Amino acid sequence: DTGVSQDPRHKITKRGQNVTFRCDPISEHNRLYWYRQTLGQGPEFLTYFQNEAQLEKSRLLSDRFSAERPKGSFSTLEIQRTEQGDSAMYLCASSRLAGKNIQYFGAGTRLSVL
Amino acid sequence: GESVGLHLPTLSVQEGDNSIINCAYSNSASDYFIWYKQESGKGPQFIIDIRSNMDKRQGQRVTVLLNKTVKHLSLQIAATQPGDSAVYFCAENFRLTFGKGTHLIIQP
Repeated sequence: DTGVSQDPRHKITKRGQNVTFRCDPISEHNRLYWYRQTLGQGPEFLTYFQNEAQLEKSRLLSDRFSAERPKGSFSTLEIQRTEQGDSAMYLCASSRLAGKNIQYFGAGTRLSVL
Repeated sequence: GESVGLHLPTLSVQEGDNSIINCAYSNSASDYFIWYKQESGKGPQFIIDIRSNMDKRQGQRVTVLLNKTVKHLSLQIAATQPGDSAVYFCAENFRLTFGKGTHLIIQP
């Protein structure tokens, strides 16, 4: 299967700890996106990369959040000093650079902050 | 600001019936829309898309209708099956803006 892969699927952490999630996009996709989804809501855009460049960040992305895509392939999303309000599903998506911007999503990483 | 929303949080239909899920958007400059299906514990899955220069597009058992005059789009699912049970989102491209979704429940 060559879809978008996210790791881990679930993460439980204590408040104040740092966590890091990984996303492996579809191999030929230049664009990579991070979204956050809370229960009963649709996904909310956080940030996106075109190759290794982070081109846009949402106001939702506080200073405690940082995302990287160092070689233009996989990406990591780190949350420092986690808070209970960070508990959510973190979704990654990827798309081609050209043509229609159909974003294909991974299964997500569910974060629970205790 | 721009927003994309669905009319009903839950839609219950009988198996075999047709389902219609509605969505309203506020940004008249939007030129591309996508419908996603999200099953429990999974990420959103692409169903069908439509550009603003079209008013209808058909896929396998699904049809999307776009009415730019009233900024409304709908997803029609023919002969609904148990596997269609999911939350359906419309989203506005490029930086996908999702509504809360409509939970489609299939009754036997």
